[in-house]
Amino acid sequence: AQKVTQAQTEISVVEKEDVTLDCVYETRDTTYYLFWYKQPPSGELVFLIRRNSFDEQNEISGRYSWNFQKSTSSFNFTITASQVVDSAVYFCALAGTYKYIFGTGTRLKVLA
Amino acid sequence: SAVISQKPSRDICQRGTSLTIQCQVDSQVTMMFWYRQQPGQSLTLIATANQGSEATYESGFVIDKFPISRPNLTFSTLTVSNMSPEDSSIYLCSVAPSGPGQGAGNIQYFGAGTRLSVL
Repeated sequence: AQKVTQAQTEISVVEKEDVTLDCVYETRDTTYYLFWYKQPPSGELVFLIRRNSFDEQNEISGRYSWNFQKSTSSFNFTITASQVVDSAVYFCALAGTYKYIFGTGTRLKVLA
Repeated sequence: SAVISQKPSRDICQRGTSLTIQCQVDSQVTMMFWYRQQPGQSLTLIATANQGSEATYESGFVIDKFPISRPNLTFSTLTVSNMSPEDSSIYLCSVAPSGPGQGAGNIQYFGAGTRLSVL
């Protein structure tokens, strides 16, 4: 069975702090995809990144970076120098087919 | 990417009534999905809306309760029938533009959701 675990329910940081959101997944598929989405208070899920299981290169996009480690089945997301606008719920998701399996989300609060 | 318009954005309904939610996409897409997000919870896939045929429902969701239409490649509706307070949730439409293979790993783009409260 496929499963995504986001153990951190809620994280609060002060603006400009770095923060890492954890994501651990379970799958028996050899080919799969991992995603991160941001859900601001407006409700719309915003796509952030997709990785496939054969690409373990870490990725950086501005203040965002992602660390994919197959050995530990983890796909962690780090925000550097956090800002108040980063406050949202962040979801990690796994897909072996077209179906997504979402984690329970981590609510990030960035305090000014 | 795709731009998705979902209506209504929110509604308050009485027990026993039905609500139809619309999802309009700005381009033709192969796959459209409907999700439910209960308060403070994760997203759960209700069904895949198939163009020109019956939707494919996930375990725990049935057509009588959540009838879905998909008359073309840019539009779908989800009806929440005979509502009870337990149906109070956010309902989200998503689309996956065409991709290689069976669509595995296609990026899904989401609408802003419909916040439903049932009294």
